[in-house]
Amino acid sequence: ETGVTQSPTHLIKTRGQQVTLRCSSQSGHNTVSWYQQALGQGPQFIFQYYREEENGRGNFPPRFSGLQFPNYSSELNVNALELDDSALYLCASSPQTGRYGYTFGSGTRLTVV
Amino acid sequence: AQRVTQPEKLLSVFKGAPVELKCNYSYSGSPELFWYVQYSRQRLQLLLRHISRESIKGFTADLNKGETSFHLKKPFAQEEDSAMYYCALRNSGNTPLVFGKGTRLSVIA
Repeated sequence: ETGVTQSPTHLIKTRGQQVTLRCSSQSGHNTVSWYQQALGQGPQFIFQYYREEENGRGNFPPRFSGLQFPNYSSELNVNALELDDSALYLCASSPQTGRYGYTFGSGTRLTVV
Repeated sequence: AQRVTQPEKLLSVFKGAPVELKCNYSYSGSPELFWYVQYSRQRLQLLLRHISRESIKGFTADLNKGETSFHLKKPFAQEEDSAMYYCALRNSGNTPLVFGKGTRLSVIA
């Protein structure tokens, strides 16, 4: 059984650019959530996808968008990058019921310069 | 609004001493409470869920609805317990987690 894998592990972008982060969910999990973790903070919920539909969104602007594919993998896209977008981006997957909580990936460290 | 408060950013204890990591929450309803742990250079992983009432690695946590708390406890700290600990809550079912800011536990030999 594979866990949640994220790519890339590190990324440096320039302010104003666009970025795409990728996540492969754990086998058997059809729900994927994305979190942003700034330095010294707990993870903040961005949005969640269930069976390719967004079914929850946190307090993030529309330039944060996502996709979920038929194999339940997911992408997080951020347009018009700002310096404050520098953070660790975590992907988490769970089975439909969510009974056993979420399995997290190792994250993508995004630095915006 | 849902909120999780972990009042201590850093907690240092000696090996063998008792540990209590505090977590308070605000939520209008009956949330599910979790503790997640992140060891150095490792991913965030689930430690405890309040609904399972289990003890993992010697840690326990009791949900106190009257005080809206879910403190994490261990009677005798070990050096390998040194890590970042996050308390989190969610509504029932497959809803997103709300995390606290975390407490770094440092166990001193």
